[in-house]
Amino acid sequence: DAGVTQSPTHLIKTRGQQVTLRCSPKSGHDTVSWYQQALGQGPQFIFQYYEEEERQRGNFPDRFSGHQFPNYSSELNVNALLLGDSALYLCASSLVGQAWNEQYFGPGTRLTVT
Amino acid sequence: SQQGEEDPQALSIQEGENATMNCSYKTSINNLQWYRQNSGRGLVHLILIRSNEREKHSGRLRVTLDTSKKSSSLLITASRAADTASYFCATDQGAQKLVFGQGTRLTINP
Repeated sequence: DAGVTQSPTHLIKTRGQQVTLRCSPKSGHDTVSWYQQALGQGPQFIFQYYEEEERQRGNFPDRFSGHQFPNYSSELNVNALLLGDSALYLCASSLVGQAWNEQYFGPGTRLTVT
Repeated sequence: SQQGEEDPQALSIQEGENATMNCSYKTSINNLQWYRQNSGRGLVHLILIRSNEREKHSGRLRVTLDTSKKSSSLLITASRAADTASYFCATDQGAQKLVFGQGTRLTINP
């Protein structure tokens, strides 16, 4: 039973560039959430996708966008990168309708913006 | 903004001792969850406690929840070197998104 996978593991980009991060949910899960974790901080909710639509969004600018595909995998896109976007980006999957929302996290993508 | 605050921010104990971490939050919740993170990698789900539960056990873990005080604690008994990690509490307010605290960095000394 494959868990949540993310790619790439590490990424280095320059200010102003755009980046795409990818996530495959745990088998059987249909909901994908993205979190940003700055160094030394707890994860912050970016947004959540279900049925290929953004269901919820945290306090992040429009430079952060996403997509969910019919196979439930998801992408996180960040445009016009800033130095402050350097962080660990975590993807979590869950099953809608599951009463207690236990989320399974992937290993993360570490993004460094220079 | 982050919902929870963990206390202490860092904790260092000897192997075999018990470790206690506390979490406070601000709004009503459906459930509260604890996660472990090793060396800035992915989060591992440890335990979930529902808002109508007061205590829950899982192996060497014991979690309590006091909704009147909006606080929770995580106790790890008989600590091992492998327990060295950061521990986060996360609250679920019913919207399928988790709101995390800033974490407690736990170091177990051999």
